[in-house]
Amino acid sequence: QLQLQESGPGLVKPSETLSLACTVSDDSINTNNYYWGWIRQPPGKGLEWIATIYYSGNTYYNPSLKSRVTISIDTSKKQFFLRLTSVTAADTAVYFCARGIYDVLTTYSLHFDNWGQGTLVTVSS
Amino acid sequence: DIQMTQSPSTLSASVGDRVTITCRASQSINVWLAWLQQKPGRAPRLLIYKASNLESGVPSRFSGSGSGTEFTLTISSLQPDDFATYYCQQYYSYWTFGQGTKVEIK
Repeated sequence: QLQLQESGPGLVKPSETLSLACTVSDDSINTNNYYWGWIRQPPGKGLEWIATIYYSGNTYYNPSLKSRVTISIDTSKKQFFLRLTSVTAADTAVYFCARGIYDVLTTYSLHFDNWGQGTLVTVSS
Repeated sequence: DIQMTQSPSTLSASVGDRVTITCRASQSINVWLAWLQQKPGRAPRLLIYKASNLESGVPSRFSGSGSGTEFTLTISSLQPDDFATYYCQQYYSYWTFGQGTKVEIK
């Protein structure tokens, strides 16, 4: 059973950088059959996609966050990462990592099929 | 950007009720839609993908339908474990979520 586990500081100061890691329990990160994403959920609110990265290294970002976000991957460590700069209180949220299915034949990016449990990051001085 | 709009935002129902949630996309997304269930303090759980395909392990009382811009999630007979918030999510162009529908006990 695949497990995704987020890790990183639970408290970040305003204007600083939020950095999170997601550790993947199996070898699916080393195949081209999946992609990897970050999604967040402010307290009491809905879900917001942040960023996606593929095995190839291609990345896609939510336009509303693009100027502040970097997603990266280290397949040798079975991890992928999120970096969000210049954070404010509006970035306080539970941050989820997730795996998505990539259809190599059609090159379609399909649904997210597995999610991490999430980690709460609070932005406060 | 593709916007996803769910209705209703909140739904009060009883055990055994048939429940339907609607999701509308701001432009056609073909069948590239998933439905997720989320309980408080938990990660979302995939229920339905490609509009109507039931994820492995999900009870058959859940079903999805639709294509283009209009989609529905139906729970044929609501069970106590089904009280949760449900989200639709498109993956036709990037990824966006509906605002959620909370199914609460009547």
